[in-house]
Amino acid sequence: EVQLVESGGGLVQPGGSLRLSCTASGFTFYNSWMIWVRQAPGQGLQWVAKINQDGTETYYRRSVEGRFTISRDNAKNSVHLQMNNLGAEDTAVYFCARVSLYPRGYLDYWGQGTPVTLSS
Amino acid sequence: VLTQSPGTLSVSPGDRATLSCRASQSVNSNYLAWYQQKPGQAPRLLIYGASTKMTGIPDRFSGSGSGTDFTLTISRLEPEDLAVYYCQEYGSAQWTFGQGTKVEIK
Repeated sequence: EVQLVESGGGLVQPGGSLRLSCTASGFTFYNSWMIWVRQAPGQGLQWVAKINQDGTETYYRRSVEGRFTISRDNAKNSVHLQMNNLGAEDTAVYFCARVSLYPRGYLDYWGQGTPVTLSS
Repeated sequence: VLTQSPGTLSVSPGDRATLSCRASQSVNSNYLAWYQQKPGQAPRLLIYGASTKMTGIPDRFSGSGSGTDFTLTISRLEPEDLAVYYCQEYGSAQWTFGQGTKVEIK
């Protein structure tokens, strides 16, 4: 059974940092692209960052480029999202998801999400 | 850009629900997925490739369409189908989501 479990969310002050983690099980992790998707309160889904199988390719939405860093540790079946200089617009539930193998691009399994709240 | 309509759909149990997703440009190879998000839960993949059902998805869900116009149909709505439904294209580098259609039970 595929499982994705996120952790690391919480309450943070504007300008602060958080590191989210997602631990995967039930599939061959190093074969899959992984992605972080966020959902602001009452809003829709927005992909944030994605990473290829060995971590050599990373992509970010424009609004987080330079502030967020996605990485992975295939030995520990985990993917991370380092978030720096956080602002109110980053308040959201953050989901990690597995990207389909072929064709690449749909998200076939999702974690339960971890909330990130900006508050002064 | 993906535009979903209607924003909210109110349907009686047993009736058909038809959800639309329109793309501003043709979606390459019909790489279009649909997700269901029930209140307080993570999204769940229903359909990929515009019409292929994910394993375990009930038969009442079906996807159709090509090019710029796609449809998710719930043939006989059940109370458990209360959710927001999102489309997503993955034919471009952007992998954009639609804004969602909320399905309410009448």
